[in-house]
Amino acid sequence: NAGVTQTPKFRVLKTGQSMTLLCAQDMNHEYMYWYRQDPGMGLRLIHYSVGEGTTAKGEVPDGYNVSRLKKQNFLLGLESAAPSQTSVYFCASSYSEFAGEYEQYFGPGTRLTVT
Amino acid sequence: GQNIDQPTEMTATEGAIVQINCTYQTSGFNGLFWYQQHAGEAPTFLSYNVLDGLEEKGRFSSFLSRSKGYSYLLLKELQMKDSASYLCAVRVGDTNAGKSTFGDGTTLTVKP
Repeated sequence: NAGVTQTPKFRVLKTGQSMTLLCAQDMNHEYMYWYRQDPGMGLRLIHYSVGEGTTAKGEVPDGYNVSRLKKQNFLLGLESAAPSQTSVYFCASSYSEFAGEYEQYFGPGTRLTVT
Repeated sequence: GQNIDQPTEMTATEGAIVQINCTYQTSGFNGLFWYQQHAGEAPTFLSYNVLDGLEEKGRFSSFLSRSKGYSYLLLKELQMKDSASYLCAVRVGDTNAGKSTFGDGTTLTVKP
């Protein structure tokens, strides 16, 4: 079991460039999430998904888009990167109907710098 | 809206006991999590309380009072490796919903 994996681990972008962060989980979890974490702050929810083909906005969705075409994958896109999007991005997944667990399992994070 | 408060920083001595408090004001409460996050790493799950009372798991215990909007994480026999940030998170929404709101975290430093 790899758990939750994220690609890439590090990335430097120039203002206006675009990129996609990939998250994959092999725990058959229904829910997946994208968070950003800035220094001295907690995790802020960007977007989340409660199942394949569904997405919803979190606290800070502006400037990001997501897609969940397959249950195991959750993609986060930045169409036109801005310096304010410099952050550490964490993907997480939770809830298996069979296990009845609600805690979230996190990926290792992607450190993104926008110059 | 959701509001979660935790102390920003705490310091304790190796071998001692420390209590990290969390207060919350949320709508649609469905449980409270504690996560541990070492510097530069991802958060990892510690405990989950949905009913009032104390849940014990080895050196760590977590308490919940829903009527007071209050929880604490108790760490006993502190070790140097317990130096980390501790995140309180409240699960909100429908019964099977997984969405959680996180506090800003409490950075615990354990000194020899």
